[in-house]
Amino acid sequence: ELKVEQNPLFLSMQEGKNYTIYCNYSTTSDRLYWYRQDPGKSLESLFVLLSNGAVKQEGRLMASLDTKARLSTLHITAAVHDLSATYFCAPQGSYQKVTFGIGTKLQVIP
Amino acid sequence: EAEVAQSPRYKITEKSQAVAFWCDPISGHATLYWYRQILGQGPELLVQFQDESVVDDSQLPKDRFSAERLKGVDSTLKIQPAELGDSAMYLCASSFSSEQYFGPGTRLTVT
Repeated sequence: ELKVEQNPLFLSMQEGKNYTIYCNYSTTSDRLYWYRQDPGKSLESLFVLLSNGAVKQEGRLMASLDTKARLSTLHITAAVHDLSATYFCAPQGSYQKVTFGIGTKLQVIP
Repeated sequence: EAEVAQSPRYKITEKSQAVAFWCDPISGHATLYWYRQILGQGPELLVQFQDESVVDDSQLPKDRFSAERLKGVDSTLKIQPAELGDSAMYLCASSFSSEQYFGPGTRLTVT
């Protein structure tokens, strides 16, 4: 069974600062997704990482995947208030089953 | 832009009552998922369909939950009888290859 661990679970940071969210998973997975969720809303796809060493960037967010270390990171550069949300990583295992982490709640303070 | 549709968006029901949720995936998406998300947690897969066939329902509480996708298009998730612990957001997602697209969800409150 694929297990996913995200840290930190809560992150409060000031605008303009940089930080990284980490996602470790327990078994082989060569595909990983990052989602964003605003309070009371559904999930919005941010990144799809398809192979070892994959790096994708969109605005102030950059995601990477190391399948050998079973680790993905989501780096936030110069945070702004609009990035406040909960972020989920979700590696894909067998039969296309995606397992979600518990999420990292990010609060960016103006 | 095509979207996954779900209804109702909100549902309040008393415990021991029956409740049903509906999902219409993006056209052409063969795979459909139902997730349950308890407040403060990540989504948990309840059932996965490939066309009209169930691929994975290992986490579906089959004594009270049922799901169907009779024609391989839209899907219904039913709970009977509802329990207080079923209060959660129920999310439907669909995919063509592997990336999943989520609907707006149904917020269920059981009183």
